[in-house]
Amino acid sequence: DGGITQSPKYLFRKEGQNVTLSCEQNLNHDAMYWYRQDPGQGLRLIYYSQIVNDFQKGDIAEGYSVSREKKESFPLTVTSAQKNPTAFYLCASSGLDGTDTQYFGPGTRLTVL
Amino acid sequence: GQNIDQPTEMTATEGAIVQINCTYQTSGFNGLFWYQQHAGEAPTFLSYNVLDGLEEKGRFSSFLSRSKGYSYLLLKELQMKDSASYLCAPMDSNYQLIWGAGTKLIIKP
Repeated sequence: DGGITQSPKYLFRKEGQNVTLSCEQNLNHDAMYWYRQDPGQGLRLIYYSQIVNDFQKGDIAEGYSVSREKKESFPLTVTSAQKNPTAFYLCASSGLDGTDTQYFGPGTRLTVL
Repeated sequence: GQNIDQPTEMTATEGAIVQINCTYQTSGFNGLFWYQQHAGEAPTFLSYNVLDGLEEKGRFSSFLSRSKGYSYLLLKELQMKDSASYLCAPMDSNYQLIWGAGTKLIIKP
């Protein structure tokens, strides 16, 4: 069964702690993305990667870091430098053609206390 | 700048038809996507338009006018499960999706 998995679904952390969100896909997609969604706002791009060992900053990369060591995996670390980390985080993947559809994982809801 | 405009909320009756409009301004254009997002869940792909005209897919249709920077999503024979947010996302010249805040559709019996 092909798809994108994100874990955990809900995550609670204390302020000042780094936290890593997992994203795995078995769709054989080359491109992967991380978005953040806040209530009443559109999705905002954090980072994206089109190939292993390469990634680019999106519109709101400050306070976040990523790695792409394997084609299937694109973990996101929310660092203590991120001023307002509480949000719904969505991972997506797509083929390499620029207009390929992005398919989303189930999301991780992060709450920083 | 890049901008998406959709109504914040719409209400419709079960069995009826509803049209959700989206106007956009982007730096370049490589097509427009519509996604459905139920509360607390991830967006799911509905349609992609790159040429002007209407694309029909079952109960859902999507229309695009590139010259007017305008798209709409038409939902027919509304069902209670269609209650969700509908996200309009044009793709700019860098192949990045520009996301609107979405239209929350409420279906009443």
